[in-house]
Amino acid sequence: AQSVTQLDSQVPVFEEAPVELRCNYSSSVSVYLFWYVQYPNQGLQLLLKYLSGSTLVKGINGFEAEFNKSQTSFHLRKPSVHISDTAEYFCALGPYSGGGADGLTFGKGTHLIIQP
Amino acid sequence: DGGITQSPKYLFRKEGQNVTLSCEQNLNHDAMYWYRQDPGQGLRLIYYSQIVNDFQKGDIAEGYSVSREKKESFPLTVTSAQKNPTAFYLCASSTPGQGARVSGYTFGSGTRLTVV
Repeated sequence: AQSVTQLDSQVPVFEEAPVELRCNYSSSVSVYLFWYVQYPNQGLQLLLKYLSGSTLVKGINGFEAEFNKSQTSFHLRKPSVHISDTAEYFCALGPYSGGGADGLTFGKGTHLIIQP
Repeated sequence: DGGITQSPKYLFRKEGQNVTLSCEQNLNHDAMYWYRQDPGQGLRLIYYSQIVNDFQKGDIAEGYSVSREKKESFPLTVTSAQKNPTAFYLCASSTPGQGARVSGYTFGSGTRLTVV
């Protein structure tokens, strides 16, 4: 079985401050990892993904994430946040091997709250 | 532009009624998914389909039904057997298997269902 744990349900940050949203995963096989963002009453948009290779991946809107296999983590970071970054952020994983589109496994989400 | 369209955006259901949520995609994706989102619980997989005329139960299929008669369409029916249907429902699509793992999913903008 595989699982995703987002350690913080809410993260308040002041505007222009850096932020890190934490994601840890558990899987018996190699995985692909994703971060999605959801604005209120909207669907999810892909921020970035880790497939293989370089452990530091860059995404849209200035976000980046680092894959750490030994710590089974995939934390999301941004050096300076804006009010427009206020949203729900989801970490997700998919199995590297095996057949079937049986659904990504999502964390429960982290609500990023940007304070002026 | 290609994408996924969910309708309606808001839906109200009376006790004991069945309602159907629409999901249409023009991305030529073979795989489609339905997720349910509740506050603080992340996304939970209801049903998925990898190919026309075939679909599989996800983690919380009880009280829901789907059909996949066309590649572009994957409607979800919330039946009267679903005792707590009030939630935000998200439809997604992908190329199955390796494609899903590499590209992730494309999400619709969601339908908010409320029981009145």
